[in-house]
Amino acid sequence: DVVLTQTPPTLSATIGQSVSISCRSSQSLLDSDGDTYLNWLLQRPGQSPQLLIYSVSNLESGVPNRFSGSGSETDFTLKISGVEAEDLGVYYCMQATHAPLTFGGGTKLELK
Amino acid sequence: QVQLKESGPGLVQPSQTLSLTCTVSGFSLTSNSVSWVRQPPGKGLEWMGAIWSGGSTDYNSALKSRLSISRDTSKSQVFLKMNSLQTEDTAIYFCTTVDYWGQGVMVTVSS
Repeated sequence: DVVLTQTPPTLSATIGQSVSISCRSSQSLLDSDGDTYLNWLLQRPGQSPQLLIYSVSNLESGVPNRFSGSGSETDFTLKISGVEAEDLGVYYCMQATHAPLTFGGGTKLELK
Repeated sequence: QVQLKESGPGLVQPSQTLSLTCTVSGFSLTSNSVSWVRQPPGKGLEWMGAIWSGGSTDYNSALKSRLSISRDTSKSQVFLKMNSLQTEDTAIYFCTTVDYWGQGVMVTVSS
């Protein structure tokens, strides 16, 4: 099974600060169809997860453009350019290239 | 409007079988896959398995021996059955298309 390792596990930020989260995969997530199925999700406290970014860098509809994703093969990054209060919660990367699908362990973003 | 809603018992006794239903609307199960994801209290997300648009299934390696996912396309429902439940199976269970998520259902395994 693919193991996704997220760092850091916890991130403290001030409002307006830019932050990045890393997600490293134990194997390449490049699919034979040419796409890379690495997604980023946010789970706010008490809520269901929501999809932010799909296929590495595509912003889900309605997601603010302060969120961006990058990376390839085994190394991926989520960047938030100017944290806002509504961004607090736990971020997960998730791969859908290889079955079984797997999630990273999560990164908790909190206010400093 | 796409919606997914989980339903099932809130309490299950140890060693018993969990049965959950995910009722979807706004899309067809023959065009979209549905996964089950669970989250133990205070912990991260765990992908349990999925039923793909063509009807085939895949499962988490650790749960494969006791998990079954099926569907009724005429009723727009996806089913999860997991046997031999233990206390560590206590969790919120979500059904999801990844871009859409249900609200989740809390399942407690306790005698």
